[in-house]
Amino acid sequence: AQKVTQAQTEISVVEKEDVTLDCVYETRDTTYYLFWYKQPPSGELVFLIRRNSFDEQNEISGRYSWNFQKSTSSFNFTITASQVVDSAVYFCALSEANENRDDKIIFGKGTRLHILP
Amino acid sequence: EPEVTQTPSHQVTQMGQEVILHCVPISNHLYFYWYRQILGQKVEFLVSFYNNEISEKSEIFDDQFSVERPDGSNFTLKIRSTKLEDSAMYFCASSDRTGEGYGYTFGSGTRLTVV
Repeated sequence: AQKVTQAQTEISVVEKEDVTLDCVYETRDTTYYLFWYKQPPSGELVFLIRRNSFDEQNEISGRYSWNFQKSTSSFNFTITASQVVDSAVYFCALSEANENRDDKIIFGKGTRLHILP
Repeated sequence: EPEVTQTPSHQVTQMGQEVILHCVPISNHLYFYWYRQILGQKVEFLVSFYNNEISEKSEIFDDQFSVERPDGSNFTLKIRSTKLEDSAMYFCASSDRTGEGYGYTFGSGTRLTVV
């Protein structure tokens, strides 16, 4: 069965510190997609990244970086030099990519990130 | 960039009333979804829809819920007799199962408040 675990319920850091949000997933499939979404107080889901299971290269986008390790079934997200605008709830998510099955997205419970000025 | 459009952004309804949430998926997408997020909780899958029929539904999606694609552009979620516990943010999504990550796109959500 699919499952996404975000063990950190809430994190607070002071502005300009680096912060890593952890994500561990479970799936029976060899082909799947992993996602991170940001949900600001306004409520919408802001897409951050989508990574397929065959691409284990780490990704960097500005202050954001992602570390995908299949050996530990983890897909962690790091914000470097955090800013107050990064304050939000962050969701890690998983979708199985088998063409014969539905590609619904399974979300973790989210990590609420507070960046303190 | 193409968007999934949801209306209204906020709906208040009385318990027991029927409510219809509207979504306009991205025009060339063929797969449609509804998700629900109760305040402070995670986003949960409700239903997926393809080729004019439901392809999968979760345990949450009981007989009170239905989905419809009444024309070539809209995708609706109906709740027949709303309960207080239906208060949540409802997200519509669509995908085309091509390209990286199947082009999965979420709308900005409808916040439903049942009073």
